[in-house]
Amino acid sequence: SQTIHQWPATLVQPVGSPLSLECTVEGTSNPNLYWYRQAAGRGLQLLFYSVGIGQISSEVPQNLSASRPQDRQFILSSKKLLLSDSGFYLCAWSVEAIEAFFGQGTRLTVV
Amino acid sequence: AQSVSQHNHHVILSEAASLELGCNYSYGGTVNLFWYVQYPGQHLQLLLKYFSGDPLVKGIKGFEAEFIKSKFSFNLRKPSVQWSDTAEYFCAVNAGAGNMLTFGGGTRLMVKP
Repeated sequence: SQTIHQWPATLVQPVGSPLSLECTVEGTSNPNLYWYRQAAGRGLQLLFYSVGIGQISSEVPQNLSASRPQDRQFILSSKKLLLSDSGFYLCAWSVEAIEAFFGQGTRLTVV
Repeated sequence: AQSVSQHNHHVILSEAASLELGCNYSYGGTVNLFWYVQYPGQHLQLLLKYFSGDPLVKGIKGFEAEFIKSKFSFNLRKPSVQWSDTAEYFCAVNAGAGNMLTFGGGTRLMVKP
């Protein structure tokens, strides 16, 4: 069966520090991968999505970047975190147009 | 690019009241439509989906949604809500090149016992 792992679950980082959130998927091949940010009152904001290795589309220009070094690995990064980067980050995967499956999420607090 | 609008940000209902949450999307081509629910402290999970066929879709826990192509809408309904339906509900559209999945802003539903 397919599973998705996202870590860490919570993270507190100082302003200006780097960020790396990792997401891996098991049990499927060539999934579409997504990074979302969920902010209170603002719903789910699509940050990045990827249809294949090295193929990243950015939906919102900001202080973050994403990479897909392997088929089932999706990484969200930042070189220097801002206070406004605080939020709840969700990784998700889907195959073709089938429903998306979400990871547990990472609560990031930038202090 | 496609977009999804959920017009009700917060909804408060009493138990046994009927529910309708609005969802409109903007995309001219073929779409797949979803409603996801997030109960307090839990993951997002699929409530129901529409790909093709009967535009009235039935999902889990007594929810249903109707796809009206002419109105670009996919409203979620439940005839009688329960306290356990308190959650945040997200409409989503999967369309276009790469099948990008786009969510609406979400609707927080609170059901009073």
